[in-house]
Amino acid sequence: RKEVEQDPGPFNVPEGATVAFNCTYSNSASQSFFWYRQDCRKEPKLLMSVYSSGNEDGRFTAQLNRASQYISLLIRDSKLSDSATYLCVVNRGGGFKTIFGAGTRLFVKA
Amino acid sequence: DAGVIQSPRHEVTEMGQEVTLRCKPISGHNSLFWYRQTMMRGLELLIYFNNNVPIDDSGMPEDRFSAKMPNASFSTLKIQPSEPRDSAVYFCASTPGISSNQPQHFGDGTRLSIL
Repeated sequence: RKEVEQDPGPFNVPEGATVAFNCTYSNSASQSFFWYRQDCRKEPKLLMSVYSSGNEDGRFTAQLNRASQYISLLIRDSKLSDSATYLCVVNRGGGFKTIFGAGTRLFVKA
Repeated sequence: DAGVIQSPRHEVTEMGQEVTLRCKPISGHNSLFWYRQTMMRGLELLIYFNNNVPIDDSGMPEDRFSAKMPNASFSTLKIQPSEPRDSAVYFCASTPGISSNQPQHFGDGTRLSIL
């Protein structure tokens, strides 16, 4: 079992739809969590950090459930420009071990 | 502000040749990371440095791979001899420190093809 697992993609949604991605992690010592976005043939870029209380940035909402060891990303009112691969990232303590999920591909269609 | 700078952007070479990838982290960032990304294995952490010292190289696939950070503004990842299975995109990333709650800033990557 991989340490960080994401929903398999791709997700194909129409513009304006709401879409949610989940990510589970197996190491309970994990300390910090992020969502990154990666466009085709580009580098990963930070989308948002994930805080214990949940956090929102415009159309994007991230949540963390430590008891169940998963994080989620909700995208409201999807835009064509949201089409990308979304990477779940988990940092363990004790040496800054960073684990990236395999990514979930999102296609938003007109 | 200049981001993480990697060179070359593309490299095509024949198997057996030595390959050197270069990275300049963001000025003031103390931690530097090398990643490899392939379709099959996704994004894998190879090695990371803090204050120019290698902290964890457990992700380095084998002895053919080596990485150095001679100063705070420069790092290299070397493959010698290269093999076709080394073909991938290699990313360098940096953060201001070693705290685990700091996100990483990635360079554009080097697309490596070994023939």
